[in-house]
Amino acid sequence: GNSVTQMEGPVTLSEEAFLTINCTYTATGYPSLFWYVQYPGEGLQLLLKATKADDKGSNKGFEATYRKETTSFHLEKGSVQVSDSAVYFCALKGRAGGTSYGKLTFGQGTILTVHP
Amino acid sequence: DTGVSQNPRHKITKRGQNVTFRCDPISEHNRLYWYRQTLGQGPEFLTYFQNEAQLEKSRLLSDRFSAERPKGSFSTLEIQRTEQGDSAMYLCASSLSPRDTQYFGPGTRLTVL
Repeated sequence: GNSVTQMEGPVTLSEEAFLTINCTYTATGYPSLFWYVQYPGEGLQLLLKATKADDKGSNKGFEATYRKETTSFHLEKGSVQVSDSAVYFCALKGRAGGTSYGKLTFGQGTILTVHP
Repeated sequence: DTGVSQNPRHKITKRGQNVTFRCDPISEHNRLYWYRQTLGQGPEFLTYFQNEAQLEKSRLLSDRFSAERPKGSFSTLEIQRTEQGDSAMYLCASSLSPRDTQYFGPGTRLTVL
């Protein structure tokens, strides 16, 4: 079945530091890949997505590239802010025709704390 | 666009009691999903609806769990004879179609004493 593995957390950084959160996946075929973010006290929000190999998703300074050869979708940001403190989830959605089409499979989440 | 809403936001109950949660999806969204999130874990899929039809249920959804989506609008998730292991955040999400972005509600946090 489909699965997503995120790097072990939590991650603590100083403001303006570079961020990488690793994500690798196992899936049949070519899934769509997502990063969701959960700010304290709020619901899950879509941060960015990529639907095919070599696509780069980007939003709010965050980027992630769909790497089929390494089955990875690592999240990066060049300069984090205190307001980026949140829990980040990598997720995949199976392709049409598969048993997992539509539903999301999530990683375990990575807690990011950014200090001033 | 009012987003996905869920009620109640918090529910505390005693073991053995029944509870029911409600989810109101974004208007015109045909797909509605339920997920469960335990502490320190990512959300896990429970079930989904295409309009009023429940098309898939996870193995996580025991016989004590039942979900409905009458008329293809709001959905309810009922847990009968709650157990302490049912304590979790229950998330609802909706989308226009299977390939479109899922929008999540704020969740209902269940605590079973």
